[in-house]
Amino acid sequence: GQSLEQPSEVTAVEGAIVQINCTYQTSGFYGLSWYQQHDGGAPTFLSYNGLDGLEETGRFSSFLSRSDSYGYLLLQELQMKDSASYFCAVRAPMNTGFQKLVFGTGTRLLVSP
Amino acid sequence: SAVISQKPSRDICQRGTSLTIQCQVDSQVTMMFWYRQQPGQSLTLIATANQGSEATYESGFVIDKFPISRPNLTFSTLTVSNMSPEDSSIYLCSVGPGQGLPFYEQYFGPGTRLTVT
Repeated sequence: GQSLEQPSEVTAVEGAIVQINCTYQTSGFYGLSWYQQHDGGAPTFLSYNGLDGLEETGRFSSFLSRSDSYGYLLLQELQMKDSASYFCAVRAPMNTGFQKLVFGTGTRLLVSP
Repeated sequence: SAVISQKPSRDICQRGTSLTIQCQVDSQVTMMFWYRQQPGQSLTLIATANQGSEATYESGFVIDKFPISRPNLTFSTLTVSNMSPEDSSIYLCSVGPGQGLPFYEQYFGPGTRLTVT
């Protein structure tokens, strides 16, 4: 089976830094991705970690520790537009030899002025 | 990136009927995925569709309820059959990898909001 746990909600103020954690338990692992979804919108790709360590993309960074089955998304210099839901997702193997995304429970981020 | 369109964007259907959702992508892609998402909840994978082969269904989803077609590398359909109110949800099409796209990126369509009465 597969399970990915995230905090349900995180609140922060503009300009702050926030970290969203993700712990996973999956049968097979090819990397951890993060997606952002605004209300009524489609999920959009933010970052991917295939190996342990930190990946940085502008104000967003993502970290992975495969030995701990743990990752996080770090958002810096928060802006109001960052208010959205954030999902971690594991790339897991399929019987067909391809890979699929299994999504976490999701974290709703609320940024206040 | 890949641009994905879905039709219809929303629909209200009566129980016992069926609805077919179309997904069109602007470039050729290897895999197309169908997800279901309840408002405020996570995404649950229904099935994976590759061209020229049977769709692969996740645990809890069956072909009779959610038949899928994948006639070419840019198009797929998902049918929600014999609907009940429990099928009310947002259905999302997703694609990846594709030509010139990173293997780890998936792109999502805008979704189809289905309400079954």
